[in-house]
Amino acid sequence: DAMVIQNPRYQVTQFGKPVTLSCSQTLNHNVMYWYQQKSSQAPKLLFHYYDKDFNNEADTPDNFQSRRPNTSFCFLDIRSPGLGDAAMYLCATSRGGGRGYTFGSGTRLTVV
Amino acid sequence: AQTVTQSQPEMSVQEAETVTLSCTYDTSESNYYLFWYKQPPSRQMILVIRQEAYKQQNATENRFSVNFQKAAKSFSLKISDSQLGDTAMYFCAFMIGGNTPLVFGKGTRLSVIA
Repeated sequence: DAMVIQNPRYQVTQFGKPVTLSCSQTLNHNVMYWYQQKSSQAPKLLFHYYDKDFNNEADTPDNFQSRRPNTSFCFLDIRSPGLGDAAMYLCATSRGGGRGYTFGSGTRLTVV
Repeated sequence: AQTVTQSQPEMSVQEAETVTLSCTYDTSESNYYLFWYKQPPSRQMILVIRQEAYKQQNATENRFSVNFQKAAKSFSLKISDSQLGDTAMYFCAFMIGGNTPLVFGKGTRLSVIA
């Protein structure tokens, strides 16, 4: 089945140690999104790509970066995780044009 | 800027009953899209229903239907014959279109009680 896959499902990292979260899709959607969701809160958009065009939200911390080497893969890099970065990170894809998103299962990041 | 407001942080409903979740939004755009997403505990967020603003007819998907009031900027979700599996966080979301990102409300936590 076509889907959005996020790895790992759970990630524990040390304070200040770089960490990378990955997302892959078999839907061939041209738009990919990264959201941060803290407990009982709405997802907050960090970045999105339209094809290879990168769009960074104005309030996304500089600590967060993203890469999209090809249509299928997208990565979220957190250069120096702080305790406040502990959250669920959601990857989503879309064909655009007002269609809904397809979400991955998320990666729950714990910072110790 | 577009905003989405869900005024009910938590709701509960008895199994087999009907429940309505509220959502209002603010935009100056005339054409846009509205969505309800369901996020079960520790599980993937999935699309429940989608409404195109230029369509007057309310969208329905099996037990799920919406009441879209464009003038009032209201987009409520009705769940009929509630089932235990409907227990989840429900997010109302808004998109202008093209490739603009979804803007989410803060969510309503729905508990279906046996």
